[in-house]
Amino acid sequence: DAGVTQSPTHLIKTRGQQVTLRCSPKSGHDTVSWYQQALGQGPQFIFQYYEEEERQRGNFPDRFSGHQFPNYSSELNVNALLLGDSALYLCASSMVGIKETQYFGPGTRLLVL
Amino acid sequence: AQTVTQSQPEMSVQEAETVTLSCTYDTSESDYYLFWYKQPPSRQMILVIRQEAYKQQNATENRFSVNFQKAAKSFSLKISDSQLGDAAMYFCAYRSALNYGQNFVFGPGTRLSVLP
Repeated sequence: DAGVTQSPTHLIKTRGQQVTLRCSPKSGHDTVSWYQQALGQGPQFIFQYYEEEERQRGNFPDRFSGHQFPNYSSELNVNALLLGDSALYLCASSMVGIKETQYFGPGTRLLVL
Repeated sequence: AQTVTQSQPEMSVQEAETVTLSCTYDTSESDYYLFWYKQPPSRQMILVIRQEAYKQQNATENRFSVNFQKAAKSFSLKISDSQLGDAAMYFCAYRSALNYGQNFVFGPGTRLSVLP
């Protein structure tokens, strides 16, 4: 049973560029959440997708957008990259319902120069 | 908004000994879930243990157990018989039981070192 997978593992971009990160949820899961983890800090919630719609959003600017596909996989897009966007981006999947735990992928390390 | 606090940025424990990591949280909700996640240098966030707020019994998973004090809004993690592989960042996390509140609120983490 494949767990949550993310690609790429590492990425280097320059300020002002755009980036797309990808996530495939754990088998049987239909909900995908994205988190940003700055160095030495806990993960911060960006947004959550369910049934191809953004269901909930954290305190992140509109430069951060996402998408969920019919197969439940998801993309995180960040436009007009800033140096402060450098972080580990984590994807977590779960099944809809109030008791399910989120399972995390290995993350994508983004460095903005 | 809910907040999670971990007051110990770093902790260390001797191999085979017991260590307790602290976590407090703030919420006005009565039903919620609490979690401890472990993040080793490989970066993968791994679930250690989960506690439902409506359950009075403290959760246990092998060498890991929690002390859940709902009135005090405290949720500490005890690791018994510590092993070298337990060395990692440990994050305490809160999740609302409401359907729309499925995102996690994480604390800042505690870095645990295990000394041989």
